[in-house]
Amino acid sequence: GDSVTQMEGPVTLSEEAFLTINCTYTATGYPSLFWYVQYPGEGLQLLLKATKADDKGSNKGFEATYRKETTSFHLEKGSVQVSDSAVYFCAFLNSGGSNYKLTFGKGTLLTVNP
Amino acid sequence: DTAVSQTPKYLVTQMGNDKSIKCEQNLGHDTMYWYKQDSKKFLKIMFSYNNKELIINETVPNRFSPKSPDKAHLNLHINSLELGDSAVYFCATRRGYEQYFGPGTRLTVT
Repeated sequence: GDSVTQMEGPVTLSEEAFLTINCTYTATGYPSLFWYVQYPGEGLQLLLKATKADDKGSNKGFEATYRKETTSFHLEKGSVQVSDSAVYFCAFLNSGGSNYKLTFGKGTLLTVNP
Repeated sequence: DTAVSQTPKYLVTQMGNDKSIKCEQNLGHDTMYWYKQDSKKFLKIMFSYNNKELIINETVPNRFSPKSPDKAHLNLHINSLELGDSAVYFCATRRGYEQYFGPGTRLTVT
């Protein structure tokens, strides 16, 4: 069945370090891919998205490229800040059906130390 | 202005009780959702409504009953609460591809 596998955390980095959080998916059809971020005590917010192969989503210095050949959508940031500490969720939306049901990964907790 | 709001923010109750969580949105979106997030942060969809009509009903015990009195509101009523119901419940709306989440309701069943 459809699923998302993302890197297990927690991930702890120092400020200005390079971040990668891996995400791969299993889906039929041509899904749209997303990264959501959950800051402590808050709901999820859309961080970036890509709706077709080779698209690159970017926001707040984060980037992810939709790689159909490897069914991946890895999240990267060149220089993390303390304020990036949060839980990051990879998700996809399958193009089949009209229910717009997001399938989420298990989340990766990122802690950035000063 | 809060786009998606939930009440209460925290709810502590005993096993066997019945409780409701409310969600209101002022975004004018047609589709609303309820998600459950467990202690390990795993997020699972429970229900979705589109224009007050139930369109997604995942494998959820029938103790959980959503109700949408109008497009701006989606409430969740839970009967006979169990310890395993302890979680954070998120309401969300959708426009296009993007979902907008509320701040969550932390439910603790003792």
